[in-house]
Amino acid sequence: DTGVSQDPRHKITKRGQNVTFRCDPISEHNRLYWYRQTLGQGPEFLTYFQNEAQLEKSRLLSDRFSAERPKGSFSTLEIQRTEQGDSAMYLCASSSGGGRAGNQPQHFGDGTRLSIL
Amino acid sequence: AQTVTQSQPEMSVQEAETVTLSCTYDTSESDYYLFWYKQPPSRQMILVIRQEAYKQQNATENRFSVNFQKAAKSFSLKISDSQLGDAAMYFCASPVYNQGGKLIFGQGTELSVKP
Repeated sequence: DTGVSQDPRHKITKRGQNVTFRCDPISEHNRLYWYRQTLGQGPEFLTYFQNEAQLEKSRLLSDRFSAERPKGSFSTLEIQRTEQGDSAMYLCASSSGGGRAGNQPQHFGDGTRLSIL
Repeated sequence: AQTVTQSQPEMSVQEAETVTLSCTYDTSESDYYLFWYKQPPSRQMILVIRQEAYKQQNATENRFSVNFQKAAKSFSLKISDSQLGDAAMYFCASPVYNQGGKLIFGQGTELSVKP
């Protein structure tokens, strides 16, 4: 169990640029979640994959955000035309597929901290 | 909408003492899990403890235990023999079962431990 891995750890970019983050879940986990966390707040759900299928997406997520999980392994989160308000920590989590979704604990990565200049 | 509320933004405890962090939640589910997560400064969020709602017995993990009161929808975390390494943000979380088990988090409680 090597844990959830996220890359990069930090990303600084200018407003209007596109950014892409990668998440490698724990290898046997088929459930993958993306969250966004701003300073001093709890994480906020963005989207959920079961294997390669994106099954849930937050209504708060603008169409500038897109996520993929090809072949049900790693996942990418892309933000197009970044805005100041996108500055946050982006967290990836994975959980095993046993039983009802939500019963298994989610294991989090270190996150990618995005700063928009 | 499902909610999780942590009413204590900050708590402080003396090393070796006991502290209790509060959490209330609202869910329409009859059987569910609840979780406490710890997030040290600039570090990874890790699971502290989880409780299954239909179990009468409160969960315990070493120095961490919960006081789960289902009728009151209360899920507090007790840390015994507090250590300096316990200093962190603590989040209470509840899954939304009809939305893939996504977690709804409380606002967090920042715990400081005084030597």
